[in-house]
Amino acid sequence: KAGVTQTPRYLIKTRGQQVTLSCSPISGHRSVSWYQQTPGQGLQFLFEYFSETQRNKGNFPGRFSGRQFSNSRSEMNVSTLELGDSALYLCASSLSGLPYEQYFGPGTRLTVT
Amino acid sequence: DQQVKQNSPSLSVQEGRISILNCDYTNSMFDYFLWYKKYPAEGPTFLISISSIKDKNEDGRFTVFLNKSAKHLSLHIVPSQPGDSAVYFCAASSFAGGTSYGKLTFGQGTILTVHP
Repeated sequence: KAGVTQTPRYLIKTRGQQVTLSCSPISGHRSVSWYQQTPGQGLQFLFEYFSETQRNKGNFPGRFSGRQFSNSRSEMNVSTLELGDSALYLCASSLSGLPYEQYFGPGTRLTVT
Repeated sequence: DQQVKQNSPSLSVQEGRISILNCDYTNSMFDYFLWYKKYPAEGPTFLISISSIKDKNEDGRFTVFLNKSAKHLSLHIVPSQPGDSAVYFCAASSFAGGTSYGKLTFGQGTILTVHP
């Protein structure tokens, strides 16, 4: 079974621009969660989607948004990029968001200059 | 407010010996715990999990122990192998607000180095 895939793997953007990252979950998984990893803050939860609905949201500004499609694929968008948004963005999928393990993709490394 | 803490930034172990990684949590609502292994520039790899109704779970060389009264969990790796060298994260979740277990709260990680 194919794992979680994320595109693109690497991205360089300029301050003020916006960016869209994509995540395809493991086949059959309906829950997708997004995380941001930075050296200073570690791994932090952004949001979770299930059946095209946001079920959980972390403490990030409204510039961070996401959505999920009917095939469970998910996208996250960051508008008006800031230097501090440079990070590894990870998505993870699980069967349903019940206490099942989450499986992570390889991440998208975003650099904001 | 760091709800999940891994107080040891690093751990060095000889090949063949036991590695013990520790994790403490403060939120008593957490009832599902997981350990992940991570290499740089890669996503975390799931290792093992435990529900709060148990106090021990084993999978091959990996065993997780949960002490609910102390709000403490540990991961034992026996025997340790050089390929186990990586960053290890513990994570916790709860059915907070009746939504889902989709939010994981991570510790800061422990760098494990296993020497041949």
